[in-house]
Amino acid sequence: GNSVTQMEGPVTLSEEAFLTINCTYTATGYPSLFWYVQYPGEGLQLLLKATKADDKGSNKGFEATYRKETTSFHLEKGSVQVSDSAVYFCALIDGGATNKLIFGTGTLLAVQP
Amino acid sequence: ETGVTQTPRHLVMGMTNKKSLKCEQHLGHNAMYWYKQSAKKPLELMFVYNFKEQTENNSVPSRFSPECPNSSHLFLHLHTLQPEDSALYLCASSQPTVGSDTQYFGPGTRLTVL
Repeated sequence: GNSVTQMEGPVTLSEEAFLTINCTYTATGYPSLFWYVQYPGEGLQLLLKATKADDKGSNKGFEATYRKETTSFHLEKGSVQVSDSAVYFCALIDGGATNKLIFGTGTLLAVQP
Repeated sequence: ETGVTQTPRHLVMGMTNKKSLKCEQHLGHNAMYWYKQSAKKPLELMFVYNFKEQTENNSVPSRFSPECPNSSHLFLHLHTLQPEDSALYLCASSQPTVGSDTQYFGPGTRLTVL
């Protein structure tokens, strides 16, 4: 079945450092891919998405490119801030009647001043 | 503010209690979802409703009973829960479009079962 694998956390960075959180997926066909972010004490917020191969999703300085060849959707940001500290979830849509989201386990990012 | 609200935000209940979680979406969507988020486990889809009809029950125990009276409201009725049911329960909604719809989440209800 479809699945998402993302790098284990926690990831600890200093402010203004470069961020990469790896995400790879297994799927039949070409599902839409998502990154969600969960700030402490809150629900999930959509960060960005890509719906087809070679699409780049971007938002708030974060980017991810849908790579069909490597079945990857890595999240990157050039310069992180303390306010980016959160848990980041990679996900894909499991197509069909219910459009289920399949999530990775989440990666905790802690940015230190 | 995502347009999806959940109440209560926190709930503590005993194993013999009956309680309900409420979700409301103001986005005009026709699909609603319940997810369970436990520590150190991936988010688990519990139920899906499309146009008020349940289209997915992900092998959820019968002590969880969903109700969707209209496309804007979703409830999760709880009875005789177990301590391992303590978790964050998240509601989401979307406008179902095959293969590419985006789900919008509420803030969640933090449930503790004593």
